[in-house]
This record gives sequence, structure tokens and C-alpha cells, in this order.
Amino acid sequence: DIVMTQSPDSLAVSLGERATINCKSSQSVLYSSNNKNYLAWYQQKPGQPPKLLIYWASIRESGVPDRFTGSGSGADFTLTISSLQAEDVAVYYCQQYHSTPRTFGQGTKVEIK
Amino acid sequence: QVQLQQSGPGLVKPSQTLSLTCTVSGVSVSSGYVYWSWIRQSAGKGLEWIGRIYTSGNTNYNPSLKSRVTISLDTSENQVSLKLNSVTAADTAVYYCARGTTSGGAPERPAEYFQYWGQGTLVSVSS
Repeated sequence: DIVMTQSPDSLAVSLGERATINCKSSQSVLYSSNNKNYLAWYQQKPGQPPKLLIYWASIRESGVPDRFTGSGSGADFTLTISSLQAEDVAVYYCQQYHSTPRTFGQGTKVEIK
Repeated sequence: QVQLQQSGPGLVKPSQTLSLTCTVSGVSVSSGYVYWSWIRQSAGKGLEWIGRIYTSGNTNYNPSLKSRVTISLDTSENQVSLKLNSVTAADTAVYYCARGTTSGGAPERPAEYFQYWGQGTLVSVSS
């Protein structure tokens, strides 16, 4: 199985400041035949299912604010929230879909400082 | 608009079978290039992919659960079902159904990111 490891486990950021979440996979999720990174990011608020934010490592899902940016390639990825808003308080997860079984990171909790 | 509505018991006794249903609206469960998956979330193991069924009926399961899991489609009711047998306390979790999008991937390595989710069902395993 591909193990997804996120860092940090939690972070507190002031409103309007940048939040950066890292995700590392135990093996590359870049598929050389199509040069695509099989990596998604989700946001989960209490009592709700995860919500898709980013797929193919950097493509924003429709309706997701442009303050959310995904980057990275191979085995190292980053989700950046450029200017944290109160509604961004949540747990964020990365997920690889390069191989089965599909696997998720352990989550990063984002709070307001 | 695609919507997934889950139903099923919230309490199952040890050694029995957990059964959940996901009723889909807005799209047929047997059409398109999508997977219908079940994912669970527990405090101890985070988000865990249980398995999936393609619109054709082909299934894939997480090896860690494969011997106990069955995922099926009911096209007449437009539903996706999960059965997990011989449950123990370790199977206590919130269970989600989700639709996995395959578009954009290579034919031999399709995508599977989850655009649509059910509301989640907390299933406790206890006598």
C-alpha cells in the first residue's frame, strides 16, 4: 500500500495569513505515461463528509475559492491556503489514486491562532 | 445534481453482518465512467477505503477487508450496497458512500477522486 504522511498534524494560523500543509507519499504517484500526479486534497468540517478541493495535485474543483492551491509532484505535495478565513477551519486530507488500495493521509487540523 | 443518501442500522452485534445502502439520485448507478465506493472513518485508522464497484459491476476491495466485504449495485432501485460480515469492535466507524470520478486518467490507470459523498452513517459494533 502507498502510505500518505501529512505534516504537521495540526497548525494554528492567524486570519489572513498563509497556511501550508504537506503530504508525502511512500512512493511516487506520478504516472509517467500521462505525466499526471494521482493526488487529491479534501476538506472536512465536523459532522460532514470530506469535500473535494483539489485533484490531479493542482486542479481546483469547481466552486473552490482560489485561495486554495495545490502543488508538488512525484511524492511531495503541498496544499496552501493563501489567506486563511474563519470558514477554512477544518481537517485537510490528501489521497492518492495511483494505486489500489486508495489511501489517505492522517489529516491536518487547521485552526485560528 | 448528484446526491447520495445513506441508510442502515447504527448498531450491529459482534460477529454479525453490517449492511448499508446508498441511494443515488441525479444519475444512474449503472451509467458513466465512475466508481461507487465505500470509505470508512474511525478515530484509530482515519479514512480507510473499503472498496468499489464500477458501473459495469466489476468490484475491487481493500485486501485488508477483502474476505469480509461485498459491494453490489441494485440498478432497479439505483442503489449501492455494502455488506461487511463477521464484524468486531474494530469495525466501529462512520461509513461513507462516495462516487469516484475516473475522467482524466489513462485507460490502464484511471483516476478515482471522490466528488460526491453520502452524509455518513455511524455504525457501532457492540453487544
